[in-house]
Amino acid sequence: AQSVTQLGSHVSVSEGALVLLRCNYSSSVPPYLFWYVQYPNQGLQLLLKYTSAATLVKGINGFEAEFKKSETSFHLTKPSAHMSDAAEYFCAVRQGAQKLVFGQGTRLTINP
Amino acid sequence: GAVVSQHPSRVICKSGTSVKIECRSLDFQATTMFWYRQFPKQSLMLMATSNEGSKATYEQGVEKDKFLINHASLTLSTLTVTSAHPEDSSFYICSASEGGPNTGELFFGEGSRLTVL
Repeated sequence: AQSVTQLGSHVSVSEGALVLLRCNYSSSVPPYLFWYVQYPNQGLQLLLKYTSAATLVKGINGFEAEFKKSETSFHLTKPSAHMSDAAEYFCAVRQGAQKLVFGQGTRLTINP
Repeated sequence: GAVVSQHPSRVICKSGTSVKIECRSLDFQATTMFWYRQFPKQSLMLMATSNEGSKATYEQGVEKDKFLINHASLTLSTLTVTSAHPEDSSFYICSASEGGPNTGELFFGEGSRLTVL
């Protein structure tokens, strides 16, 4: 079965600094991987997805992620953090048709 | 992108009562919808897969008689928490895909926060 592990339940960076949120996956088949963002008391919004095309995926709000098969990783990055990026971020892998398995989540805090 | 709407966004009920949560795909038809449960500061756990016109498929450990799912049309799925108890208090989120099985993208509702007193 596919699974994802997010390293670090809480990440804190300064405004303008690099954001790096880590995600490692486990999959017996080529994975479909996703990053979602969740603001307080809201549903999830898709940031980006990897579906076996380009290994570097660009998403919304300046985020991008790189699929590295050799490291079984799909880390999320953003060059310069903004206060509005403060939220909970979830990495997910598709298991079967449309079913998603989520990581534990990483809470991103931005310091002024 | 596609829009999925949930109602109500918040509900408070007394222990022992039943609560219904609706999930609607507003601008597309969804043959399959998914119901997730999220405890405070935790991840989303898939509860069940809702299939239009047929019975829902429940994940292991989820009581199907406790969490009744109905998917009567291509745009509406409902989750009914029967005889709710305080431990059922949680954030319930639905999702749906506008494409076929291989599109890979799910659109999520805003979530419904249930508090059982």
